[in-house]
Amino acid sequence: GIQVEQSPPDLILQEGANSTLRCNFSDSVNNLQWFHQNPWGQLINLFYIPSGTKQNGRLSATTVATERYSLLYISSSQTTDSGVYFCAVGRNTGKLIFGQGTTLQVKP
Amino acid sequence: ETGVTQTPRHLVMGMTNKKSLKCEQHLGHNAMYWYKQSAKKPLELMFVYNFKEQTENNSVPSRFSPECPNSSHLFLHLHTLQPEDSALYLCASRTGLAGGQVGELFFGEGSRLTVL
Repeated sequence: GIQVEQSPPDLILQEGANSTLRCNFSDSVNNLQWFHQNPWGQLINLFYIPSGTKQNGRLSATTVATERYSLLYISSSQTTDSGVYFCAVGRNTGKLIFGQGTTLQVKP
Repeated sequence: ETGVTQTPRHLVMGMTNKKSLKCEQHLGHNAMYWYKQSAKKPLELMFVYNFKEQTENNSVPSRFSPECPNSSHLFLHLHTLQPEDSALYLCASRTGLAGGQVGELFFGEGSRLTVL
């Protein structure tokens, strides 16, 4: 099956700093999503981005499907950005395979 | 509010109990999922239903029994569970797979299960 690897596993930032999270996957996909899991367990959709670049406020994402990776950029980080960021990929089977996540802590 | 509602949000049960988790989606989707998230582990896919038909059972023990009576509702029936089954159980839904189109997956808030 498809393998999904996220890096770094843990990240500590000072408020206001920028960061880049990476997601590598082992096979071609036509579905890729980024999620933020808050401390209560809720998975919040950030981007549905099987290819290309999207931006939403301080967050943006880029997926280069031919090179099998995606990047999530967080600019001017805030304490509310803390939590776990998951990348998930899939094909037209409907299965979405999750990476191990990146745990982000933003300090005030 | 994602349009996917799970109840109960928290459940504590003994190993001999029988309980059920419920998921309801108000998004008009046709595919529904159960995922399990144990402590410090990534999400694991358990079951997939597409147009009420089970299309994926990811080698889940029979003490977990899913039921999908219609495209809007999904249940996970629990019986004779083990303490290691304690986890966050997440329901999700998306547009169906008819025509090969796969849409965005949306999750409920999860049901946190503790088995004593």
